[in-house]
Amino acid sequence: DTAVSQTPKYLVTQMGNDKSIKCEQNLGHDTMYWYKQDSKKFLKIMFSYNNKELIINETVPNRFSPKSPDKAHLNLHINSLELGDSAVYFCASSPQGLTKIEQFFGPGTRLTVL
Amino acid sequence: GNSVTQMEGPVTLSEEAFLTINCTYTATGYPSLFWYVQYPGEGLQLLLKATKADDKGSNKGFEATYRKETTSFHLEKGSVQVSDSAVYFCALSLMEYGNKLVFGAGTILRVKS
Repeated sequence: DTAVSQTPKYLVTQMGNDKSIKCEQNLGHDTMYWYKQDSKKFLKIMFSYNNKELIINETVPNRFSPKSPDKAHLNLHINSLELGDSAVYFCASSPQGLTKIEQFFGPGTRLTVL
Repeated sequence: GNSVTQMEGPVTLSEEAFLTINCTYTATGYPSLFWYVQYPGEGLQLLLKATKADDKGSNKGFEATYRKETTSFHLEKGSVQVSDSAVYFCALSLMEYGNKLVFGAGTILRVKS
């Protein structure tokens, strides 16, 4: 299937642990993003990479570290998890170009920190 | 700054009713505008988009027109179905901000049969 995929779909963990979420796209896109959706459904950008280079880094605690091994993958590593990190994390990708602005979203990873 | 304001929900309608979800924006440049839909338990899907003033985006019976003079991008559908029940997000993006999406708070739509 041609899509943006994320693993895992659900992640339940204890406070203080370190965890990673993986994202892969097979759409041939150059740009990938991480968004966080809180319990009230509000969505906010966290990071964006273009061809493995970080281009957007919003005000996110440095416990969050994105890593892009190649342009098809953007992983999110979270250290020392806190209760407030509980959310749904969405990965997205988009092609490069002035008119190619649509972002394609993955199914999301629901992170629950206990 | 850049922001999107959309009407609070939930919006509850009967099947075949007319739908309007209001969306207004503020932007430091000339944004592209989007409506995304999130069905229960799923990710976001692009519903429609418009990239310049007076453009009309349309898909699956939904429409929205980019109004620069009123900085609005209201979503409409003439006859909703139960299957349209979802959360609808209005969003903007700007090239000079790396095309990141700035979302409104989302509007829950519930359609009763």
